[in-house]
Amino acid sequence: GDSVTQMEGPVTLSEEAFLTINCTYTATGYPSLFWYVQYPGEGLQLLLKATKADDKGSNKGFEATYRKETTSFHLEKGSVQVSDSAVYFCALSENTNAGKSTFGDGTTLTVKP
Amino acid sequence: ETGVTQSPTHLIKTRGQQVTLRCSSQSGHNTVSWYQQALGQGPQFIFQYYREEENGRGNFPPRFSGLQFPNYSSELNVNALELDDSALYLCATQLPSGRNDNEQFFGPGTRLTVL
Repeated sequence: GDSVTQMEGPVTLSEEAFLTINCTYTATGYPSLFWYVQYPGEGLQLLLKATKADDKGSNKGFEATYRKETTSFHLEKGSVQVSDSAVYFCALSENTNAGKSTFGDGTTLTVKP
Repeated sequence: ETGVTQSPTHLIKTRGQQVTLRCSSQSGHNTVSWYQQALGQGPQFIFQYYREEENGRGNFPPRFSGLQFPNYSSELNVNALELDDSALYLCATQLPSGRNDNEQFFGPGTRLTVL
């Protein structure tokens, strides 16, 4: 079956540091890939997505590129802010049905001033 | 703000009891999915409803059941509660296929504690 593996956290960075959160996946077909963010006490918000190989998703300074050859979708940001502190989830869905997604276990990011 | 609402916010039940959780979707969102998020883990897909019918199910036993109503709101029912059912339950809604740009919108969740 499908699966998503994220780098284990937590991750603690200083403000303006570079962020990378690794994500690799296993899927039978050609899935769509997503990054979600969850702030304390809230539901998940879509951060960015990519639907085919070599697509780059981007939003709010975050980027991730769909790498089919390495089955990866690593999240990056050049300069993190304290407000980026949250839990980040990588996810995939088959057949363009985002409502049947498989999620990783999440990576907690804390950014210190 | 996504517009997806869930009720109640928190709930405490005892083992063996039954629980009903509710989700109201945004206008026009005709597909709803339910997920279980245990503490420290990612959400796990329970099932999806489309046009009031179940449209796919994850690896959850039959004591997890659902309903979708004509106004697209939805319920998740869990019978014979077990301690391991303690989790955050999330619903997520989508616009009709062809209009949803492969996106789902999450509600804030219901925190269920089973004692």
